[in-house]
Amino acid sequence: SYVLTQPSSVSVAPGQTASISCGGDDIGGKSVHWYRQQPGQAPVLVVYDDGDRPSGIPDRFSGSNSGGTATLTISNVEAGDEADYYCQVWDHSNDHYVFGAGTKVTVL
Amino acid sequence: QLHLQESGPGLVKPSETLSLTCTVSSGSISGSSFYWGWIRQSPGKGLEWIGSVYHSGTTNYNSSLKSRVTISVDTSKNQFSLKLLSVTAADTAVYYCVRYSYGSYFAYWGRGALVTVSS
Repeated sequence: SYVLTQPSSVSVAPGQTASISCGGDDIGGKSVHWYRQQPGQAPVLVVYDDGDRPSGIPDRFSGSNSGGTATLTISNVEAGDEADYYCQVWDHSNDHYVFGAGTKVTVL
Repeated sequence: QLHLQESGPGLVKPSETLSLTCTVSSGSISGSSFYWGWIRQSPGKGLEWIGSVYHSGTTNYNSSLKSRVTISVDTSKNQFSLKLLSVTAADTAVYYCVRYSYGSYFAYWGRGALVTVSS
């Protein structure tokens, strides 16, 4: 089965930039989606199709997928960005939907 | 704005069947091109896709759960349901109902329902 690999944690100071990686076999050939989950809440889509943002998501959130790694970038980090972030793809080989294990972002 | 709401027992005994229903409002299951599914999250763990159903009744299940899972749809009530057989403590989780397009992302989520498996 397809596996997505994320760092377990990322720490960043307010106002700085956080980058969260998501790796997988031939991930460049897939569309990668990102979710933010704050404690006790359901996940919320923050980036879809590698780098598009749903309405209502600030442009501080951006995504890319190249060089064998997908990346979620959070610019000008705020205290409210502290959350777990998950990447997700569709594995067409078995028609399954796969999530990474999640990255906990801590704002110092 | 589409709204999804999970409902069902919060406590299930080991070896019994977990049953949850998702009620859809401000949107219709019938005739839509979307898929309706379930995702779960064990305490302190990550997200696991369980499976989905189309308005026609066509289903798709995670291979790891396929032998125990049934997802069905009731378009007359604008609801879809999850049944998980022979549960164990490992099935304790928050269960989310979701809507998505085929092969894509999960744009809409319910608030989640915690189901604990315990005697």
